[in-house]
Amino acid sequence: AQKVTQAQTEISVVEKEDVTLDCVYETRDTTYYLFWYKQPPSGELVFLIRRNSFDEQNEISGRYSWNFQKSTSSFNFTITASQVVDSAVYFCALSEGQAGTALIFGKGTTLSVSS
Amino acid sequence: GAVVSQHPSRVICKSGTSVKIECRSLDFQATTMFWYRQFPKQSLMLMATSNEGSKATYEQGVEKDKFLINHASLTLSTLTVTSAHPEDSSFYICSAIQGANYGYTFGSGTRLTVV
Repeated sequence: AQKVTQAQTEISVVEKEDVTLDCVYETRDTTYYLFWYKQPPSGELVFLIRRNSFDEQNEISGRYSWNFQKSTSSFNFTITASQVVDSAVYFCALSEGQAGTALIFGKGTTLSVSS
Repeated sequence: GAVVSQHPSRVICKSGTSVKIECRSLDFQATTMFWYRQFPKQSLMLMATSNEGSKATYEQGVEKDKFLINHASLTLSTLTVTSAHPEDSSFYICSAIQGANYGYTFGSGTRLTVV
């Protein structure tokens, strides 16, 4: 079974629209970490956020916000007022157990923002 | 911030030859290095985990004799693809951590094409 599920393979929006990228995870550990990364066409991974399992506070960073809900094992990512530069592949990832274990990535969601 | 330098960024090699990819942590000591492979439009799949001074732990299905990983120092890990074949063509990316409570730093990736 997939440990990190990103059901949306591709999403296309027009600039200034809000968009939410879904992430559902599966783990038996009570301690775990969740991440979001952005991968532009150049290939490098850009770190966006890290959350530990004990911190369910939602977070906002500029146009980005994250909603962590342990009850539904979800860690969704919303981009407000999307821009063309937001076009990329976005990965949700999970690190189980103590910090420092390997990241398990979802399959990614390709976001295309048109002007 | 922490930087991992990965070289080469692109390499084309002939079938049957070997290719070495280097990942070097520039300003920190990487106690653990992870190696991932990413096929086009797919997710990052963990290949192996290596700790400095010990043998790498390979994921199921990854041939350890084909993908040689060496983590001889706290600042350098190498992945050698031996007897490369066209099906080994992929994007390889490394990730390093300084310790359990530090974040993951990714290299910029190596695009390998075997012809």
